[in-house]
This record gives sequence, structure tokens and C-alpha cells, in this order.
Amino acid sequence: GQSLEQPSEVTAVEGAIVQINCTYQTSGFYGLSWYQQHDGGAPTFLSYNALDGLEETGRFSSFLSRSDSYGYLLLQELQMKDSASYFCAVGGNTGKLIFGQGTTLQVKP
Amino acid sequence: DSGVTQTPKHLITATGQRVTLRCSPRSGDLSVYWYQQSLDQGLQFLIQYYNGEERAKGNILERFSAQQFPDLHSELNLSSLELGDSALYFCASSVELAPTDTQYFGPGTRLTVL
Repeated sequence: GQSLEQPSEVTAVEGAIVQINCTYQTSGFYGLSWYQQHDGGAPTFLSYNALDGLEETGRFSSFLSRSDSYGYLLLQELQMKDSASYFCAVGGNTGKLIFGQGTTLQVKP
Repeated sequence: DSGVTQTPKHLITATGQRVTLRCSPRSGDLSVYWYQQSLDQGLQFLIQYYNGEERAKGNILERFSAQQFPDLHSELNLSSLELGDSALYFCASSVELAPTDTQYFGPGTRLTVL
């Protein structure tokens, strides 16, 4: 089976840096994705890591260590609009996604 | 706007009833996925179709069924509805079915079963 663990809540202040960790157990690893979801909205794609290392996209970065079955999402220069839920997900060979339970990020002024 | 459309946006119905949720993928996308999001379960993968054929199945109840039509739109049918089926149902699409393909999510259908 597949399972993912991530913290349920994280709080940080505007302008700070926050890291959201994700550990996973899966048979047949095809990559780790991150999605953002604002309250009641649709999940939107943030990043994807298939190989070890850091991927950077603007203020967001994502890291993967396949040997540790571990990844994280790093958000820099936090803004109020970054308050949302963040999901890590592992992909299956057909492209289906298995999601973690999500981390609610609250950014405070 | 992801380019994925879902109708209806909201649906309120009674236990025991049957409903159909509709999804139109982004232009050119061949893969359609259905996910259920309830408060205590997070985002759960239900089923995937690729170019009209079922390709993967998740934790989908036997009361639920889906299909993808020749024009690539998809419908999710939920029958004998129970209170616990109340949830947000998302459709997503991707170009192909490779693990590297980004999935684009529709706005969702909020189902309330009374």
C-alpha cells in the first residue's frame, strides 16, 4: 500500500520561511508532488520531484531524498495569501495520485 | 482557471437518491481522475479513465460508478446515497497517464446528502 505523513498544522509569520515535511511509504515510487489548496478551492500544482535534490520555483522549493523516503516543501518570504492547505502526494504508474492528509499553514501578520 | 469544468457546483439531495456529476477535462487532456474530499478523509483517489477506458481504481464504493465518453468528458454516478457520501468531489485531468504529468483540478462539486 501507500501512505504519507505530514504535519497537520504549521503557523508562521509574514516574511518568514517555513518547511513542511512529508514522509512516505510506497511500492513503486514515481515521484513526489506538492499541491496547494485554499479553503474550499481546487488543489493547484506546485512542484514535482522525481530525483533527489532541490527544485526551486520562485518563493517555493521542494526537496526529495529517495533513500530516506522523505521530502519537504520550503516556502520563503511568506505572504498572507500563502495561508492554505498543502498536500504532498505520490504518483502511481498510471499517474493517479495518493495524497497525504494535508498541512494547514496559517500565516500571521 | 485550470480549464477543467465541473457541474453542478452544488448538489443537495436525500439519502437513497442517485446523482450524476459531470466533468469536462482541459482541451487535449486524455486522462481524467476523480477524487473525493471529506473532512476526515482528505483527498481520496476514486478512479481514473484514459481515452475512454478505465485505467486505475482506488477506494471507490460499489455504489459509485464512472465512465468517460468519446468526447472525453466524464461522469461520476453515485447511487443509494448515504449521509457519509457528503463531500467535495473533484475531477482532474492530465495530458497522458505518465507519473510526471501535472494534474489540473476542476472547481469541484459539493455534494450534501440530507
